[in-house]
Amino acid sequence: GQNIDQPTEMTATEGAIVQINCTYQTSGFNGLFWYQQHAGEAPTFLSYNVLDGLEEKGRFSSFLSRSKGYSYLLLKELQMKDSASYLCAVNHDYKLSFGAGTTVTVRA
Amino acid sequence: IAGITQAPTSQILAAGRRMTLRCTQDMRHNAMYWYRQDLGLGLRLIHYSNTAGTTGKGEVPDGYSVSRANTDDFPLTLASAVPSQTSVYFCASSDRAGSGANVLTFGAGSRLTVL
Repeated sequence: GQNIDQPTEMTATEGAIVQINCTYQTSGFNGLFWYQQHAGEAPTFLSYNVLDGLEEKGRFSSFLSRSKGYSYLLLKELQMKDSASYLCAVNHDYKLSFGAGTTVTVRA
Repeated sequence: IAGITQAPTSQILAAGRRMTLRCTQDMRHNAMYWYRQDLGLGLRLIHYSNTAGTTGKGEVPDGYSVSRANTDDFPLTLASAVPSQTSVYFCASSDRAGSGANVLTFGAGSRLTVL
């Protein structure tokens, strides 16, 4: 299978910045995704990277380095509603494999 | 509202019983997937279908079967449920099978407990 590692939990203060790292080892790499999942709900798509570099989308940015097998998701100006699990997923052979997810808790 | 509908939302099942989880999408997506989500393990792919009439095995296919008779429906069957199949099951679809930009749309999930 694919080896995808991300931290289990992170805590940050409202208004702060949090960076969630993801490392992966895979064959047939076709791209890397980040999904957000609130407790008891379905995952929803946040971002997609296939080339090296930074993709910015509002308060969320995602970075990819294919040579290092590394990505991060950057959440800026944290809001209480950002408390959720963030799932790193690698597209290999056109199927997605997911990491176990990082639970982010935003405190007032 | 366009999307994916899963049924049942929740089910408690005796071990050894047969169970089918239903999944229907109205987005005309060509690819569909079944994942299970367990605490600490994340989402794991059970089976997938890139187009109607074809299916493939994912990471954890044992004990599960699927069919794809048409574009919209992708049921998942547990022939004889066991307690280790207690999990939350998510159905997903994509209109980009065979593409790197394979964004998945997920259903709301079906919580299955096998006793």
